[in-house]
Amino acid sequence: NAGVTQTPKFQVLKTGQSMTLQCAQDMNHNSMYWYRQDPGMGLRLIYYSASEGTTDKGEVPNGYNVSRLNKREFSLRLESAAPSQTSVYFCASSEGLAGGPNTGELFFGEGSRLTVL
Amino acid sequence: RKEVEQDPGPFNVPEGATVAFNCTYSNSASQSFFWYRQDCRKEPKLLMSVYSSGNEDGRFTAQLNRASQYISLLIRDSKLSDSATYLCVVPGNAGNMLTFGGGTRLMVKP
Repeated sequence: NAGVTQTPKFQVLKTGQSMTLQCAQDMNHNSMYWYRQDPGMGLRLIYYSASEGTTDKGEVPNGYNVSRLNKREFSLRLESAAPSQTSVYFCASSEGLAGGPNTGELFFGEGSRLTVL
Repeated sequence: RKEVEQDPGPFNVPEGATVAFNCTYSNSASQSFFWYRQDCRKEPKLLMSVYSSGNEDGRFTAQLNRASQYISLLIRDSKLSDSATYLCVVPGNAGNMLTFGGGTRLMVKP
């Protein structure tokens, strides 16, 4: 029962370095999401993919890019990391698009803790 | 008004107490609402969905007040294991997105 798997779980970067967070789900869900969580600010949506082949910006997309590689996998890339991107990143998936008429449960990965020095 | 607002707490209550959290939202067109639970350094998990006036699941009751645009979560007979952060989630004003509140932290003490 893997659900949503994220890698890596921890990462330390220097300012200007790049990295990719990987996410895979085995629930045959159509929609996938990347959130970041900062103290006291709740989860904020970075990018989402309503279905395979589509991606859209969320609330805080600047400094990030995403790729929906196939139905299972959705990656998040930081091209030039900045200290403001120090955060906990969560990947999530759902059967239907969250916020839409068929809103259902979001299933989250365990999170990736990123520190940018 | 922010899209979703919650009292961050912490709410410190003894075991067995009844505790209630409120969450206010700004999108009057929202039809579905959710409470997620997040344990320390873990991922959020769905606790309850609220589609009409309310929902009850054992010791947990969620109620919706559309006129005043708030939802509440009531926990009866609190257990130590209820200690967590409770996140209020509603559809955002932008559509096709869910907006998370900052969470309310609950600490249940022996």
